Amino acid sequence: DAKTTQPNSMESNEEEPVHLPCNHSTISGTDYIHWYRQLPSQGPEYVIHGLTSNVNNRMASLAIAEDRKSSTLILHRATLRDAAVYYCILGPPNSGGYQKVTFGTGTKLQVIP
Amino acid sequence: GAVVSQHPSRVICKSGTSVKIECRSLDFQATTMFWYRQFPKQSLMLMATSNEGSKATYEQGVEKDKFLINHASLTLSTLTVTSAHPEDSSFYICSARDQALSRGYTFGSGTRLTVV
Repeated sequence: DAKTTQPNSMESNEEEPVHLPCNHSTISGTDYIHWYRQLPSQGPEYVIHGLTSNVNNRMASLAIAEDRKSSTLILHRATLRDAAVYYCILGPPNSGGYQKVTFGTGTKLQVIP
Repeated sequence: GAVVSQHPSRVICKSGTSVKIECRSLDFQATTMFWYRQFPKQSLMLMATSNEGSKATYEQGVEKDKFLINHASLTLSTLTVTSAHPEDSSFYICSARDQALSRGYTFGSGTRLTVV
């Protein structure tokens, strides 16, 4: 399985943008880049996913490098509720059959008031 | 849409007893669900894939006779921790995906199991 590398932890001030990096130098041509986050004492929740083009949704933006060997999750204005562990995961598209999701260590984001 | 309900949220049991955890997809059908375990300050570890109407597929190192999985309907999977020991104390999480949505997997809120 292609692996991802993320910083163990990051800090951000409240109301400021946050850029969470993820390296995936062994990504295959068919791997999608998925992001999930896990708030304390809760199950993970889906954030965003993409293949090649940058993606935006109501939660975040995903910027994907042209060579696809890295990506960045962007939270435009961090709030205290965004404090969580963010996981970058490679896998098949969200359509089609079921594929198991394997989690790495993720980045623990701390938001400072 | 795509809500996964997990019950109970917390359970304390005595060593040697069994505990059942339920995972329900509330507004969609899931022929496949996944069970994870998470120890404090660690990432989620996939335990098994639960398949409706057939046997579960367990990850390497997970004892299938200790962690019994039943997926008898399209909306319910259960995980039973048999003969629980203190080292089984952990956060157990299930997940499923609504194939009609292109939104990734939905996770339950987790079950905190404490074996005393």
